[in-house]
Amino acid sequence: EPEVTQTPSHQVTQMGQEVILRCVPISNHLYFYWYRQILGQKVEFLVSFYNNEISEKSEIFDDQFSVERPDGSNFTLKIRSTKLEDSAMYFCASSEKQRTSGKDTQYFGPGTRLTVL
Amino acid sequence: RKEVEQDPGPFNVPEGATVAFNCTYSNSASQSFFWYRQDCRKEPKLLMSVYSSGNEDGRFTAQLNRASQYISLLIRDSKLSDSATYLCVVTTPGSARQLTFGSGTQLTVLP
Repeated sequence: EPEVTQTPSHQVTQMGQEVILRCVPISNHLYFYWYRQILGQKVEFLVSFYNNEISEKSEIFDDQFSVERPDGSNFTLKIRSTKLEDSAMYFCASSEKQRTSGKDTQYFGPGTRLTVL
Repeated sequence: RKEVEQDPGPFNVPEGATVAFNCTYSNSASQSFFWYRQDCRKEPKLLMSVYSSGNEDGRFTAQLNRASQYISLLIRDSKLSDSATYLCVVTTPGSARQLTFGSGTQLTVLP
């Protein structure tokens, strides 16, 4: 069964450093997403991406965050200058655009645990 | 008021028990509804979509009441492997794809 993959599984960084989290969505999917989950809290939407541009973003996704699809397979989330409060699990997800149905199942990757020291 | 509200539990039930989870959502414009399950420190996995007519998948039954803005999940004949956190998820009003998650209800099935 095809799945979303993410690397690294755990990233430790110093406050103020830049990090790039990588995702490989399911190959025939067209929509890509990033969510985060702070330890003990709920999953929160960050951004969605379609046709090489951001389609929606949340208030959390400020100027410190950016996303990119640098090639045909990878989808990345960059945090320019990490803060302590960025420590969280970051999940990538993808979905296949369905023309005939409004429902579009999002499949999540295993996540990258980001620890900012 | 929280956008998606769930009883956090924990629910501790014996194997074979029937357990029901409830969820309410605040915005009547939400269009799509789901139950996901999340194992400890793992990714959310879709359990089932929820339709107004109600739907069943094996031991799992989901119901949606749009008038009351209420979603339910019933698990029959619970198994040890059902132990997880169950997340009520709705699409954000005005968006077909942005998911809004509840905080989850923790279930432990005991032998």
